[in-house]
Amino acid sequence: KQEVTQIPAALSVPEGENLVLNCSFTDSAIYNLQWFRQDPGKGLTSLLLIQSSQREQTSGRLNASLDKSSGRSTLYIAASQPGDSATYLCAVADRGSTLGRLYFGRGTQLTVWP
Amino acid sequence: DVKVTQSSRYLVKRTGEKVFLECVQDMDHENMFWYRQDPGLGLRLIYFSYDVKMKEKGDIPEGYSVSREKKERFSLILESASTNQTSMYLCASRPRGRNTEAFFGQGTRLTVV
Repeated sequence: KQEVTQIPAALSVPEGENLVLNCSFTDSAIYNLQWFRQDPGKGLTSLLLIQSSQREQTSGRLNASLDKSSGRSTLYIAASQPGDSATYLCAVADRGSTLGRLYFGRGTQLTVWP
Repeated sequence: DVKVTQSSRYLVKRTGEKVFLECVQDMDHENMFWYRQDPGLGLRLIYFSYDVKMKEKGDIPEGYSVSREKKERFSLILESASTNQTSMYLCASRPRGRNTEAFFGQGTRLTVV
């Protein structure tokens, strides 16, 4: 069964810093990896999806990389802002399961202070 | 933009009540999912559906059932609510296929008293 781990569990940084969130998974047989953002008490918002054949995906100040063979992904946030404060979750679509179901990490809670 | 709408943001129900959580998506997606999210446990899959009237159990189906009579609507039913079902419930949808992007609703915070 796929296991997804996110490190660190929490991160607090001053505004303007560049930062990296990490995600690792145990089985490299995936279709894709998706990064989500979750604000307190709300649902998940999709940020980026990287196909298994891709190495990188960018959206604005966000850049996600994928190293499938080593079971790792990173989410890079450039020039962080207080509005980036949220919990960030990664999920992998597993090839060995029905519908390529998603397996989630438990998230990294990010706080960006002014 | 894909929209996944859950009928309630907050619900308070009594132990033993039958509870319906509704989810509607407007993008003609075949696949729909119900998760619950608890502190320290992350997201856990309750049930999913890949077509009208089709359903599959996830990891924690006990105490729940689902209904999918129309493609756009996927309902989660708590047959007899218990306090250990107090949680955040999240609905998601994805297009057909295994390599597709998931979209989530805004969540329903259910409290069972």
